[in-house]
Amino acid sequence: RKEVEQDPGPFNVPEGATVAFNCTYSNSASQSFFWYRQDCRKEPKLLMSVYSSGNEDGRFTAQLNRASQYISLLIRDSKLSDSATYLCVVNTGNQFYFGTGTSLTVIP
Amino acid sequence: DAGVIQSPRHEVTEMGQEVTLRCKPISGHNSLFWYRQTMMRGLELLIYFNNNVPIDDSGMPEDRFSAKMPNASFSTLKIQPSEPRDSAVYFCASGGQSTDTQYFGPGTRLTVL
Repeated sequence: RKEVEQDPGPFNVPEGATVAFNCTYSNSASQSFFWYRQDCRKEPKLLMSVYSSGNEDGRFTAQLNRASQYISLLIRDSKLSDSATYLCVVNTGNQFYFGTGTSLTVIP
Repeated sequence: DAGVIQSPRHEVTEMGQEVTLRCKPISGHNSLFWYRQTMMRGLELLIYFNNNVPIDDSGMPEDRFSAKMPNASFSTLKIQPSEPRDSAVYFCASGGQSTDTQYFGPGTRLTVL
């Protein structure tokens, strides 16, 4: 079983839509969680950390559910510029594990 | 800050040749990570260093791969001899603490013919 699993998509949504991605992790002792964004032919860039209490940054909301071992990312009022691959990242304390990414395309 | 710097940005070589990828982490960061990304396998951690010491190299695919970090501001990833299946984008990332966020360099796109 992979350490981190994501639905690869692709998700194709119209501009202004709300879209949510989930990611599950296998190690219950995982310590920290992140969402990264990767544009085509570019490096991954940190989008936001994910805290137990949930956190919001503008149109983006991240949630962590330790009991069910998943994290989520919600994007509201999606923009064309949100089109990218979103990578879920889990740190077990010994190593970082990246999901394979979820592809999002926002359509005009 | 210039961010993580990698060189070269693109490398095309022939099978059997030695390839050396270079990375300069963000100043003050004490963790450095080497990743490989392909369409088939996604982003894979190859090795990471903490305070210039290799901590986990279990992701290094085989003996043809080696990595060094002679000082806090420089690391290399060497492939010798290279093979076509090594073709990928190789990213270097650095972080402030082992559990802190990572900042990626622009990557080196390697093609082995």
